Amino acid sequence: IAGITQAPTSQILAAGRRMTLRCTQDMRHNAMYWYRQDLGLGLRLIHYSNTAGTTGKGEVPDGYSVSRANTDDFPLTLASAVPSQTSVYFCASRKGTGLNTEAFFGQGTRLTVV
Amino acid sequence: DQQVKQNSPSLSVQEGRISILNCDYTNSMFDYFLWYKKYPAEGPTFLISISSIKDKNEDGRFTVFLNKSAKHLSLHIVPSQPGDSAVYFCAASAVGFGNEKLTFGTGTRLTIIP
Repeated sequence: IAGITQAPTSQILAAGRRMTLRCTQDMRHNAMYWYRQDLGLGLRLIHYSNTAGTTGKGEVPDGYSVSRANTDDFPLTLASAVPSQTSVYFCASRKGTGLNTEAFFGQGTRLTVV
Repeated sequence: DQQVKQNSPSLSVQEGRISILNCDYTNSMFDYFLWYKKYPAEGPTFLISISSIKDKNEDGRFTVFLNKSAKHLSLHIVPSQPGDSAVYFCAASAVGFGNEKLTFGTGTRLTIIP
């Protein structure tokens, strides 16, 4: 089934460790996004990519980095995890290229930093 | 600065009655609006959308209304069913202005009472 896949599903991580959350889509969508969901704060955009080779900062980018080497993959890296990065992370993709379409979400990665 | 706001964190509605969820935005560049539904431990799923050139879009039990002058949109669900119990997020983007970013509100938890 075509869609968007995130890995891992959940992870407990020691503070100070490096972690990469993986996201892959097979819909050939141009735009991809990383959000974090926290109670009372909704879905906040961390980083986004309008097309392969380009990335942009969302509203909460500090402590995170992304890359977009190709259309399908959009990994999110925490260089040195801190407890405040405990959250549920969602990757999403959208057709993009100026078209008004919906975004499709992955199932999420629950990350706990201890 | 919260550009998309959902001021009601929660809403309870009797089964069979109408559920009305509200969303306000501040960025006049937004030209496309979406509603997403989220169940626990799942990614958000697309529900319905509306372009800024329209003021109403209907899909079965779901209708979205857009009031551009008030920068307000609402989602009507009628009749409400127990399976509608979920968290609802509104989202907005300014694709027509070359920006693929998708900005979400903080969500409203809808509970349908049998």
